[in-house]
Amino acid sequence: DSGVTQTPKHLITATGQRVTLRCSPRSGDLSVYWYQQSLDQGLQFLIQYYNGEERAKGNILERFSAQQFPDLHSELNLSSLELGDSALYFCASSATRGAGELFFGEGSRLTVL
Amino acid sequence: KNEVEQSPQNLTAQEGEFITINCSYSVGISALHWLQQHPGGGIVSLFMLSSGKKKHGRLIATINIQEKHSSLHITASHPRDSAVYICAVRGRAGSYQLTFGKGTKLSVIP
Repeated sequence: DSGVTQTPKHLITATGQRVTLRCSPRSGDLSVYWYQQSLDQGLQFLIQYYNGEERAKGNILERFSAQQFPDLHSELNLSSLELGDSALYFCASSATRGAGELFFGEGSRLTVL
Repeated sequence: KNEVEQSPQNLTAQEGEFITINCSYSVGISALHWLQQHPGGGIVSLFMLSSGKKKHGRLIATINIQEKHSSLHITASHPRDSAVYICAVRGRAGSYQLTFGKGTKLSVIP
């Protein structure tokens, strides 16, 4: 158990809809990272938050947004969903801004029909 | 072209064999990670390396910064080692904007 909790584990929805994925980092970890794993693209970095502030942005679509709350949990919002958004979405956390060990959650599997 | 190349893409081994998975990268990095992903999908971080060699149980990871190459070795492989092993590199910026390899699927047969 990495200590990183993601919900929901599975989500099935329709095109055009909006979903929210939630991540609770390990106790004490200030950084949260979101990654997308699709069959054709593999794993890709989406976005990083550190202590409530956005720190780095990767290949995140404009239809996607994220935030980190004062209690350090994070949410990834995916809107106007398309079939191609079907993927595993991972959250990870670390104690620092950009160094040290990384701990992954179990992932949220999104299926868009 | 992916900046991180792994080989082989697929690997089948008999239980007990010594296994090597390779990772080459083309950019300067501050650290390299080896990750393990089991069929259920969860990802576990095995190693984080910036130089030299690390060992954890039957797993050994090495990195050669000058040659931009890392290897993951598994000694006395076991069916429970069957998983996808993913190499990921962190750029000099120091953020966790990791760039991932496509993974090596390992199957260890009893």
